[in-house]
Order: sequence, then structure tokens, then C-alpha cells
Amino acid sequence: NAGVMQNPRHLVRRRGQEARLRCSPMKGHSHVYWYRQLPEEGLKFMVYLQKENIIDESGMPKERFSAEFPKEGPSILRIQQVVRGDSAAYFCASSPQGQDFEKLFFGSGTQLSVL
Amino acid sequence: TQLLEQSPQFLSIQEGENLTVYCNSSSVFSSLQWYRQEPGEGPVLLVTVVTGGEVKKLKRLTFQFGDARKDSSLHITAAQPGDTGLYLCAGPHSGTYKYIFGTGTRLKVLA
Repeated sequence: NAGVMQNPRHLVRRRGQEARLRCSPMKGHSHVYWYRQLPEEGLKFMVYLQKENIIDESGMPKERFSAEFPKEGPSILRIQQVVRGDSAAYFCASSPQGQDFEKLFFGSGTQLSVL
Repeated sequence: TQLLEQSPQFLSIQEGENLTVYCNSSSVFSSLQWYRQEPGEGPVLLVTVVTGGEVKKLKRLTFQFGDARKDSSLHITAAQPGDTGLYLCAGPHSGTYKYIFGTGTRLKVLA
């Protein structure tokens, strides 16, 4: 059973370009979370999604950031017109429905570097 | 806003020593989780504590949830270099599915 897959592992973008980060949850998991982590810091919640629905996006910047989790395919975190301050590690986690919903399984992250 | 404060922020100890790290909040959590994160990887869930006063053991790691469910501790006995990593506590915000993470304790165990 494959774990949470994130790609790319490393992404380099110049200021003003778009960044697309992908996350394939574990098989059977219908909940996806995105977190951002700066060096030497903890994880900051960004968004929580279920299939085709954004449940909580209270941690997402209002502009330039968007997330989706379509019926088919991976969840996408999209950052438009990136700036240097967007440089960080972005982690995706998934969890199942039911009594184990609180067990978050994390991917290895995407390290975004903005030049 | 519910916050999770962890202490100490950094800890460097010798192999074989014991240590305790703490996770504190002014708010009540329905459950708390502990994760360990190694460089370049995502956090890995160690344990979930649900009941006030609950104690769980995972080999040399002992986790405790405070009676009032506002705090938790992680005790490591006879630490080993393999225990090195960032230890994070996390809990659901106000009973929702939004999990917030603590500030983390970065542990280094020297051989």
C-alpha cells in the first residue's frame, strides 16, 4: 500500500511564475490536508479538503493560493505569481474516513525555492 | 485561537540519558497527537492520546495526556542517536478536522 505521494520533491521557480504541487493520498483516503513549514519551525495549516470540496481554507493566503481535490486525480496546491516569501516546504497529509480519521499520514513534501 | 506551545525548543543530550518534552495549551483538546519528523521528510505519527490522564507507551517512549486535556508530555528513556529529530504535538482545532501543530522540540542525541 503506497504512502502519500508528493511531487515534485524539489521545485525551483523564478518570481512571478506559477508553482503547482501535487499530492496523491493513500489509497482509500478521502481527506487531504496541506501544510507549510519554514526552516526551524512547525507546520502551519493551510487547507483541508475532501473529494471535490474545500472544507476549511482558513490558513490559505487570500490571494495567489488555491487548492483542489478533484474526483479523479491528485490534490493540487497552486501558487500563482510566486514571491521569495513563498519559499518553504509544503507537506500534504491524508487521512481515512471513519474512526481513524485523526491519523494523518504525511508525504515527503515539496521543497519550493523561489529565485 | 488555540495554540500549542512546546518546550524546550532545542535539546541536546548524550546517549543513554532520559528526557521529557512538553506540549501545553490554554485550551482543551479532544485529543493530542505526537509526531516525529526527520530532515527532508514528513512527520510520522507516533501516538494519539484521547482520555484525560491517559498514559501510552511505545518502547522507550512514554506519552501522557494531562487530566484537563490541555497538555501532554513525551518522556524518552535511555535516548539513542536514532531518536534524533523534530518532535511535534498536534491537535484538532475546536473539535474540527483542522489539525494545528505545536512549535516543535528539536532533539539531538549524541553518541
